[in-house]
Amino acid sequence: AQSVAQPEDQVNVAEGNPLTVKCTYSVSGNPYLFWYVQYPNRGLQFLLKYITGDNLVKGSYGFEAEFNKSQTSFHLKKPSALVSDSALYFCAVRDIGSNYQLIWGAGTKLIIKP
Amino acid sequence: DAGVIQSPRHEVTEMGQEVTLRCKPISGHNSLFWYRQTMMRGLELLIYFNNNVPIDDSGMPEDRFSAKMPNASFSTLKIQPSEPRDSAVYFCASSRQAPASEAFFGQGTRLTVV
Repeated sequence: AQSVAQPEDQVNVAEGNPLTVKCTYSVSGNPYLFWYVQYPNRGLQFLLKYITGDNLVKGSYGFEAEFNKSQTSFHLKKPSALVSDSALYFCAVRDIGSNYQLIWGAGTKLIIKP
Repeated sequence: DAGVIQSPRHEVTEMGQEVTLRCKPISGHNSLFWYRQTMMRGLELLIYFNNNVPIDDSGMPEDRFSAKMPNASFSTLKIQPSEPRDSAVYFCASSRQAPASEAFFGQGTRLTVV
């Protein structure tokens, strides 16, 4: 069965420092990977996705993610964190074997301190 | 495009009452998802439609929950009778039916059952 793991419930970063939010996955076949962000009292917003091609994917708000096939990881990164990046971040993978459902990680709360 | 539209944004109801949540997906999207989000259980998939047909309703918690999609532009999630433990934020999301397609979320309906 396909699955996604976000090993950290919370990540704390000082403003201006680089940030990383971790995601590992387990799939059969080629992975289709996604990152979403949820601000308080809002729906989830799409940030970026990996389908094929370059391992470094760039997305919204200056975020990027690095796909690593050997480590089955898709970590979200940003070179310089902003206080406004504080939010809940979800990693997801398409379950090709189950009618293309999205399988979600549990979410990681990112806190950026001034 | 206005995005995925959900109504109402907030609903407070008494235990035992019927609750109906509504969703208008993005035009051209043929996959629709209903999710529930709580602090305790995180993001849970309730039901998934493809081309207006329910594909997987294994996440629907009980017979009190039902969902319909009478046409490509409208879906409802009904709880009858409602219970306090149904209190949560309910999200609707839509996407194209393709593994590389991201899902777009509505703003959610915050349901409180007292």
